[in-house]
Amino acid sequence: EDKVVQSPLSLVVHEGDTVTLNCSYEVTNFRSLLWYKQEKKAPTFLFMLTSSGIEKKSGRLSSILDKKELFSILNITATQTGDSAVYLCAVAYTGGFKTIFGAGTRLFVKA
Amino acid sequence: GAVVSQHPSRVICKSGTSVKIECRSLDFQATTMFWYRQFPKQSLMLMATSNEGSKATYEQGVEKDKFLINHASLTLSTLTVTSAHPEDSSFYICSATKSGQNFNSPLHFGNGTRLTVT
Repeated sequence: EDKVVQSPLSLVVHEGDTVTLNCSYEVTNFRSLLWYKQEKKAPTFLFMLTSSGIEKKSGRLSSILDKKELFSILNITATQTGDSAVYLCAVAYTGGFKTIFGAGTRLFVKA
Repeated sequence: GAVVSQHPSRVICKSGTSVKIECRSLDFQATTMFWYRQFPKQSLMLMATSNEGSKATYEQGVEKDKFLINHASLTLSTLTVTSAHPEDSSFYICSATKSGQNFNSPLHFGNGTRLTVT
């Protein structure tokens, strides 16, 4: 059965800390791995990764994919309270837009 | 662009009644829409893929007679929870893809509908 596994499930840090969120997957017909941020309602898109070893970066957030080890990480440096959210890892299948999600990592950043 | 609107945002209904949730793509045409369900502190579980003009494709374990999906136009898909029970209480969220969109593009999500069945 295809699956996306995230760790840790929850994390509490202080402002200014750096965090690393993990995502592993076992999916047939892999096309891409995506990271989303979910605060209260709709997930908002962060990154899409399709190639191994190429880091994607947006401000204090960065992510990289390892297609050999079936693994991705999301890094957040100099965390702020506004980074508190659930971070979802998802995998999209080839041949369409079907996407499955991991359980998410609930991050809480203390002031 | 790529705004997806979901309605209602919140609904409370009595056990045994049916509830319809709408998902609209406001500024684009969506050949395909997806319906997800999210329990508290859990991830999004894909329920079904809704294709305009054809029958929805349901994921294993999802009862198609209970969760009726209709995608009658390129901008609207509806999910009807029939004969709702308290265990159907959940957060339902839809996503849509633009017609002709490159597969290497992310999903666009609605803001979700919180259903409470009493």
